[in-house]
Formats: sequence, C-alpha cells, structure tokens
Amino acid sequence: GEDVEQSLFLSVREGDSSVINCTYTDSSSTYLYWYKQEPGAGLQLLTYIFSNMDMKQDQRLTVLLNKKDKHLSLRIADTQTGDSAIYFCAERSNDYKLSFGAGTTVTVRA
Amino acid sequence: GAVVSQHPSRVICKSGTSVKIECRSLDFQATTMFWYRQFPKKSLMLMATSNEGSKATYEQGVEKDKFLINHASLTLSTLTVTSAHPEDSSFYICSAGDRGPGEQFFGPGTRLTVL
Repeated sequence: GEDVEQSLFLSVREGDSSVINCTYTDSSSTYLYWYKQEPGAGLQLLTYIFSNMDMKQDQRLTVLLNKKDKHLSLRIADTQTGDSAIYFCAERSNDYKLSFGAGTTVTVRA
Repeated sequence: GAVVSQHPSRVICKSGTSVKIECRSLDFQATTMFWYRQFPKKSLMLMATSNEGSKATYEQGVEKDKFLINHASLTLSTLTVTSAHPEDSSFYICSAGDRGPGEQFFGPGTRLTVL
C-alpha cells in the first residue's frame, strides 16, 4: 500500500513560522492534502494541492510540493496558539482513497 | 465547506453488545462515504468505502461481519460494530464526498469504549 511519513512532533514559538514535512511514495497521487485535528475532534481540511502544482498559498498557509522527491511541506506563518493541533498529510490515489501520515503534533509555546 | 455529522459522539457499551454509529452529510449528497478508525496518537486507518445502494468495500484485514456498513441513502451511512470487545475501543471517523478535488469532508468522530 501507499506509505506517507511525517515527523511526529514540532515545537514552535508563537509568532514564528512552522514547517511540517511529509514524504509519500505513490507517484500516481493526484491530490495531496493537509488536515488539522484538534483534541477529540474530527479532521478539518486546511488545504490541498494538485499533483501538477509546485506551490499553493492560502493566507498564512503555504504548501510546497516537490514531485520528483515526493516531498510535501506545509508552512504556517505567524504561528498562533490556536494552531496547536495534530497535522496530517494525506495523498489521494486514483481510486479516491486517502492514505494518511501518522500526524505531526504541533505545540505552540508563548 | 460541507458538513458531516456523526452520532453518537461518545458511546460506552458492555462487551458482547452491538453499537451503531451514524454518519450524515447534512447539506450535500454523498455518493461515497468512508469509515476510518484512529488509535491514540496514530494515523487514520481506512476500514471501508461505502457506496450508496451497493455493498461496502472493505480494506484488507477488516472483518466485514464484525463491522457492518449500510449506505441506504445519499445522506446516511451507518457502521455497526457487532459483538463489540474491548479491543474494538477506538475513535471512529467517517468522511463523505464525491470525486472532486479535496472533496472528502470529515465527521467529528465517535469515541467507542467497550468495557
């Protein structure tokens, strides 16, 4: 099956930028996603990028995709305490199923 | 974005009983719904894909007789955990969507605890 890997923890100071990295293995992925999960809640779609794009920016969020290296990153500018959560990257295969990474726990410290 | 609800949000049951979890798409019709299971501090594991009006497709290793899925309408899918055991305790999350880009909307999840 597909393999999606991401670092497990990230600690960042409030106001700094956060960068969360993800690697995937399925070269036929059509879309790649970033989801946010707060404690006890479901997943909230933050942003997604089509596989033929290199970059997508949406307000404080910037997604970079290196298709050659199968590397995806999410940058959060001006990180706030409300950004503390678990962030999952996911890839969508041709059969529309999503494969998730293990999640990166982001802790924002004052 | 579209709203997906799950009911109940939490359920505690005795070992050997069956529990039904509902997943509803509130403001759109979902031809496909997905059921995931999430263990503490772990990723989501896809259990099955539910298509309206047809049998669910289960992922390898998921017992279809234990996790019964019914997708009777374009806005409702149910997951029934039959004869639940403590090892079935988990966070179950559904998602609903169609085949457009980024169009899988997740429910808030159901915490199942089997005593």
